[in-house]
Amino acid sequence: GESVGLHLPTLSVQEGDNSIINCAYSNSASDYFIWYKQESGKGPQFIIDIRSNMDKRQGQRVTVLLNKTVKHLSLQIAATQPGDSAVYFCAESLRSNDYKLSFGAGTTVTVRA
Amino acid sequence: DAGITQSPRHKVTETGTPVTLRCHQTENHRYMYWYRQDPGHGLRLIHYSYGVKDTDKGEVSDGYSVSRSKTEDFLLTLESATSSQTSVYFCAISGPTGGHTEAFFGQGTRLTVV
Repeated sequence: GESVGLHLPTLSVQEGDNSIINCAYSNSASDYFIWYKQESGKGPQFIIDIRSNMDKRQGQRVTVLLNKTVKHLSLQIAATQPGDSAVYFCAESLRSNDYKLSFGAGTTVTVRA
Repeated sequence: DAGITQSPRHKVTETGTPVTLRCHQTENHRYMYWYRQDPGHGLRLIHYSYGVKDTDKGEVSDGYSVSRSKTEDFLLTLESATSSQTSVYFCAISGPTGGHTEAFFGQGTRLTVV
């Protein structure tokens, strides 16, 4: 079965607000995590990644937080824009498992104008 | 799309027929992957390759085979298509290092088995 999953299948956010997308993982041995964004009709696009020796990483308008104690990963999007409407996936990887990525089911984010 | 081309983009085929999907990359990445995407399941790994003629099974490999005779091409074959293989198929590439790195995805192939 899947070892990575998202808490909520859908999230509705007001334009300009901050978004928080959550992901729980079950394998404490996972040592690399990625967030992907998928727009309708397209393939997943890389947003940001984090290794297990870190607990926070920031990109442009996005921040990923990793809490290994409770096996929780989150993606924060600042000042959400209409272009942020998409499905967001978290993925995990195990070095001991040849770096293959395992994906959760995804969260659909809808930005309200 | 990081130099990844999937073909065809759409295909309708009949149950029992063989189907081959092609993934072509221009990035010279070592690692290539085939995933399928179905509602409620996210992306599931079918097969992957760590180099020419070096392939292995993923979590949903039954009914699929792959081949990689050149670095740039990774072929996914459905030997005898079934309706349960109706899905969107994504190819991904990563590398060239042996450590963790993000995977880049193609645009997908929508396959319908009737």
